Amino acid sequence: AQSVTQLDSQVPVFEEAPVELRCNYSSSVSVYLFWYVQYPNQGLQLLLKYLSGSTLVKGINGFEAEFNKSQTSFHLRKPSVHISDTAEYFCAVSPNSGYSTLTFGKGTMLLVSP
Amino acid sequence: DAGVIQSPRHEVTEMGQEVTLRCKPISGHNSLFWYRQTMMRGLELLIYFNNNVPIDDSGMPEDRFSAKMPNASFSTLKIQPSEPRDSAVYFCASSFTTGGSGNTIYFGEGSWLTVV
Repeated sequence: AQSVTQLDSQVPVFEEAPVELRCNYSSSVSVYLFWYVQYPNQGLQLLLKYLSGSTLVKGINGFEAEFNKSQTSFHLRKPSVHISDTAEYFCAVSPNSGYSTLTFGKGTMLLVSP
Repeated sequence: DAGVIQSPRHEVTEMGQEVTLRCKPISGHNSLFWYRQTMMRGLELLIYFNNNVPIDDSGMPEDRFSAKMPNASFSTLKIQPSEPRDSAVYFCASSFTTGGSGNTIYFGEGSWLTVV
């Protein structure tokens, strides 16, 4: 079984500041890692995913994440946030074999203010 | 391209009534998921279909919940009888799965259910 911990339920930040949203996972098998974003009253949209290869993954909207196997982490970063980045961000894992169901963390609400 | 389509978007119903949520996955996708989102429990997988066959229904809360996928382009999630604690956002999602995993799962906009 897998589990995902997002340490911060809410992250307030000023516009144009850098941000890091933390994600740690636990799994008895190798996993793939994902970040999804949910804008208010909408469904989830994939930001980026790590399957293999380079541990630094670039996604949409200027976001990137780094896979650290020894620390079982997959933190999401953006060097300069915009008001429009205000949303809930979910980290998720799936086992790298068999069926691809996602296990989600509880989410981190990113609040960007002017 | 049409994404995952869910209906109704919003439903308010009285306790004890039957609720049916509908989903049309993305054309060509062979995997379909139903997730439930609540403040307390976050996003939970309810059931997963692959090629119209239920693969994992361990997340279905109890016998009041049932899900069907009669063909590749349609699925339903039914709650009978509904209870206030079923109030949540129900997401349908789909993907094209080719043996291994890591495939992107695409979500619909959700069905917001309120049981009073």
